[in-house]
Amino acid sequence: QSALTQPASVSGSPGQSITISCTGTSEEFSKYNYVSWYQQRPGEVPKLMIFDVSSRPSGVSDRFSGSKSGNTASLTISGLQADDEADYYCGSYTLISTVIFGGGTRVTVL
Amino acid sequence: EVQLVESGGGLVKPGGSLTLSCRTSGFNFGDAWMTWVRQAPGRGLESVGRIKSRADGEFADYAAPVHGRFSMSRDDSRSTLYLRMNSLRPEDTAMYYCALMVGYGHLDNWGQGSLVTVSS
Repeated sequence: QSALTQPASVSGSPGQSITISCTGTSEEFSKYNYVSWYQQRPGEVPKLMIFDVSSRPSGVSDRFSGSKSGNTASLTISGLQADDEADYYCGSYTLISTVIFGGGTRVTVL
Repeated sequence: EVQLVESGGGLVKPGGSLTLSCRTSGFNFGDAWMTWVRQAPGRGLESVGRIKSRADGEFADYAAPVHGRFSMSRDDSRSTLYLRMNSLRPEDTAMYYCALMVGYGHLDNWGQGSLVTVSS
């Protein structure tokens, strides 16, 4: 089964842009655009931020954007704000099984 | 408004069993694919499994660590999802979330979670 690899931590100053990568190992991950991103603030439930690589659910700020090239998906947060501090997880749907998640990235606003 | 409310968590001894429920409202549960996701203390998200709608055969898939021990089911008349957990191990200790799966496998709505602690 595919594994998704994320950096353990990313940091940035308020107003800056940061990018979190998510690298998959399977051909399925590279071939299909079934990547989603979730934000989890401390003590809170995960929240869907991006789906299908680059689509945003209603209500999610356009400061959050997603992209994918080959076997690496990315989440970019522009205009970094204090309340963006959270753990971010990428997720990928597999056709024969359930969703798999990356290990998570802790975003720190300096 | 979509709502998912888990219940049934608690403290159980290793080798014991527990059943979690996820009561839902605000969407057509009968047409929905549902998932369970867990999060051990201080750790990341881990899929437990997914169950398809009745129209899609109500098939369930499980993650390797729980395959053969956990079982998902659904009662469409009650809009409720279940997770039966047998042969529990200390490493199953986690917050268990139910979530609504939409589109191409993204999890659109999550419950607040139910804490399961496996300890002697």
